[in-house]
Amino acid sequence: GQQVMQIPQYQHVQEGEDFTTYCNSSTTLSNIQWYKQRPGGHPVFLIQLVKSGEVKKQKRLTFQFGEAKKNSSLHITATQTTDVGTYFCAGNPGGGADGLTFGKGTHLIIQP
Amino acid sequence: DSGVTQTPKHLITATGQRVTLRCSPRSGDLSVYWYQQSLDQGLQFLIQYYNGEERAKGNILERFSAQQFPDLHSELNLSSLELGDSALYFCASSVEEGGLLHSPLHFGNGTRLTVT
Repeated sequence: GQQVMQIPQYQHVQEGEDFTTYCNSSTTLSNIQWYKQRPGGHPVFLIQLVKSGEVKKQKRLTFQFGEAKKNSSLHITATQTTDVGTYFCAGNPGGGADGLTFGKGTHLIIQP
Repeated sequence: DSGVTQTPKHLITATGQRVTLRCSPRSGDLSVYWYQQSLDQGLQFLIQYYNGEERAKGNILERFSAQQFPDLHSELNLSSLELGDSALYFCASSVEEGGLLHSPLHFGNGTRLTVT
């Protein structure tokens, strides 16, 4: 089936540095969702983007949806140890019949 | 607490056996999704049910089956288990049917299956 590609797979940063993860689809997405999974936990919904070019902010987190609705990014400013975890994007690149497809996630590792 | 309940939390079984994983969705949610998470494989979509009916199907093996009951709880049945089936199995629920526009998913804590 269609896939949602996410890069990088791992990202090591020093505490206080910025972090960005990217999500790409070969087909247009109706919407894109972002989730965070803490080590040993379950994915938790962060945000949903629907409109072309949409930008949303949650404190130090900035989410963008591309103009063509085929890519998205999550940027964290001045990372903190509480940001540690895996960040997943999710969409429906195959249309309605394929469920919600998750990218493989970006593991954020923060060095104090 | 997401409101989604999964049982059991851990399951250890032998190859060739059959197990059933159970999920109770969040109150008011009609859709139930099942995902498999293996090391470095992300979240693999298995199947989705909406109000008792199969709504979408992913890379679910023929040895696996699922259903959603009238009270909206769901069960995932895994049979003829192989070592490679060892993984964390998540259930998630949402309010809407899905399709082109999915509403946010609320995940349970998962069932960790170990096949020996």
